[in-house]
Amino acid sequence: SQKIEQNSEALNIQEGKTATLTCNYTNYSPAYLQWYRQDPGRGPVFLLLIRENEKEKRKERLKVTFDTTLKQSLFHITASQPADSATYLCAPGTGSGGSYIPTFGRGTSLIVHP
Amino acid sequence: DAGVIQSPRHEVTEMGQEVTLRCKPISGHDYLFWYRQTMMRGLELLIYFNNNVPIDDSGMPEDRFSAKMPNASFSTLKIQPSEPRDSAVYFCASSLGAEQFFGPGTRLTVL
Repeated sequence: SQKIEQNSEALNIQEGKTATLTCNYTNYSPAYLQWYRQDPGRGPVFLLLIRENEKEKRKERLKVTFDTTLKQSLFHITASQPADSATYLCAPGTGSGGSYIPTFGRGTSLIVHP
Repeated sequence: DAGVIQSPRHEVTEMGQEVTLRCKPISGHDYLFWYRQTMMRGLELLIYFNNNVPIDDSGMPEDRFSAKMPNASFSTLKIQPSEPRDSAVYFCASSLGAEQFFGPGTRLTVL
């Protein structure tokens, strides 16, 4: 069955450093991969989508890579800030032509210390 | 747009009672998803609709769970009878493309 793995241990880093979160998947060939942010007591919020034919995607301080050979995505936040503290969910998905059905990982908690 | 609206935000009920969760998706979105989130299992897809039609309900845990979407602006998730193991946060999300927009969730506690 499909398996999506994200580090269950919280990642603690100092403000200003780069945070790197990892998402690994098995028994799965996603056409794309999304990253979401979830704050306590709230629903997930979409951040980025990267397609299988893209190696890297950037948005402001965020960078995502997608290695379909390693079956892995890395999510980077540069110049991290305490406001970046949240849980980040990886969501590889399949579908096309308007149908996009992701499967969510359990998320990794990021804590940025001032 | 107000975003995806869910009600109630919190629900406490006793085992055996019927529970109905409600969702209003973003206007114009053609997909609607129901998820359940727990510490143990993370965010699980229960069922999703396309243009008000249920497409995949393989994630619905048991026959006690049912979902409907009578029109493009309203959906319900019903649990009857409820059990303590149903306690979780239930999210509704809608989409027009790959990006999903989540509601604030309903925290359900079954005593």
